[in-house]
Amino acid sequence: NAGVTQTPKFRILKIGQSMTLQCTQDMNHNYMYWYRQDPGMGLKLIYYSVGAGITDKGEVPNGYNVSRSTTEDFPLRLELAAPSQTSVYFCASNSGQAPYEQYFGPGTRLTVT
Amino acid sequence: LAKTTQPISMDSYEGQEVNITCSHNNIATNDYITWYQQFPSQGPRFIIQGYKTKVTNEVASLFIPADRKSSTLSLPRVSLSDTAVYYCLVGAPLRTGRRALTFGSGTRLQVQP
Repeated sequence: NAGVTQTPKFRILKIGQSMTLQCTQDMNHNYMYWYRQDPGMGLKLIYYSVGAGITDKGEVPNGYNVSRSTTEDFPLRLELAAPSQTSVYFCASNSGQAPYEQYFGPGTRLTVT
Repeated sequence: LAKTTQPISMDSYEGQEVNITCSHNNIATNDYITWYQQFPSQGPRFIIQGYKTKVTNEVASLFIPADRKSSTLSLPRVSLSDTAVYYCLVGAPLRTGRRALTFGSGTRLQVQP
């Protein structure tokens, strides 16, 4: 199993540009999450999904959108990028049987200038 | 969601036992305690989870007193590779419409040779 994979690993965006961060898991997990981590800080939940077709806002959803058309994929869309969105983005997943054991991807380091 | 308080940083030497304590005074009846480890430039990794008393796995032990207002993560005989940030999380299983786990700032453990 590859686990949770994220692409790209790094990206530089100009202010106002848009992009999609990709996340795929091959563990057949129903639950998927997007977090952001600013330097020296903990993770903050952006959006989460409890299954295909079901998404909900987390702690810091403004400026982002998500969709969940399949169990495997959970892309995060940034519209009109702003410098405040400079961060490392982590995708995670877990099964309903182990709700506390989230599996994280390697992260995407995004810089908005 | 229960707020957690843990030391910002700790130092240790190889071969020593390290105990990291987390305070969670307003933990709810349904809340579990979970610890994650994060290395630089990587996503967090699940270490251990518990509800009360003591839990042990191949990596660590988790001690939870009867009042559950605190917990202690114990790492036996640490090595240089245990240098990481350790997060204490308190929360209940994710259900539709409920929030997921919240990561604080964590404890930065530095292991010296």
